[in-house]
Amino acid sequence: GAGVSQSPSNKVTEKGKDVELRCDPISGHTALYWYRQSLGQGLEFLIYFQGNSAPDKSGLPSDRFSAERTGGSVSTLTIQRTQQEDSAVYLCASSLAHRVEQYFGPGTRLTVT
Amino acid sequence: RKEVEQDPGPFNVPEGATVAFNCTYSNSASQSFFWYRQDCRKEPKLLMSVYSSGNEDGRFTAQLNRASQYISLLIRDSKLSDSATYLCSFSNDYKLSFGAGTTVTVRA
Repeated sequence: GAGVSQSPSNKVTEKGKDVELRCDPISGHTALYWYRQSLGQGLEFLIYFQGNSAPDKSGLPSDRFSAERTGGSVSTLTIQRTQQEDSAVYLCASSLAHRVEQYFGPGTRLTVT
Repeated sequence: RKEVEQDPGPFNVPEGATVAFNCTYSNSASQSFFWYRQDCRKEPKLLMSVYSSGNEDGRFTAQLNRASQYISLLIRDSKLSDSATYLCSFSNDYKLSFGAGTTVTVRA
């Protein structure tokens, strides 16, 4: 079946602009995660959604970052007033309820100039 | 101590060789363990779960040592296609923590 999809695959933006990144999880997966991976680094947890529960936002690095998930499916990660240190690959993952194994999308490579 | 520590490598091995590497974790409450494979500029892909009794999937063997708080991955009869970065991950709830990865390069 279809895997996790993300768009855009690449985004170049000027410092100070806002960006929106989209994630479409695997059908039937109720859990959705956002991670960030900087060059040569591990995955940094950002935010977690599970069904209709309040999201775990503990990994968001600043209040410029926000995310929402509409209808329990598609999620959007928004970064306001982008900074150069926001440049990274943003990865979305999903999993079945009560399962820990996560399946990743291809990521969005964000470059802030 | 870091939450997860991996030897970054690179492990440079000839085809057909065996390569093994570990990943240590600091949270003794961790319950679930996994190995992911990540190719250059691609997303991580789940390679295998790691069970308490150890498990094998073809040429790959994973072990868990709870007493010393590490997991290991062994690759037998390495193929060129095994060249990748291997990420360990663990959780004690819904959240996975990842190591920075061990790079393996298999040469002809």
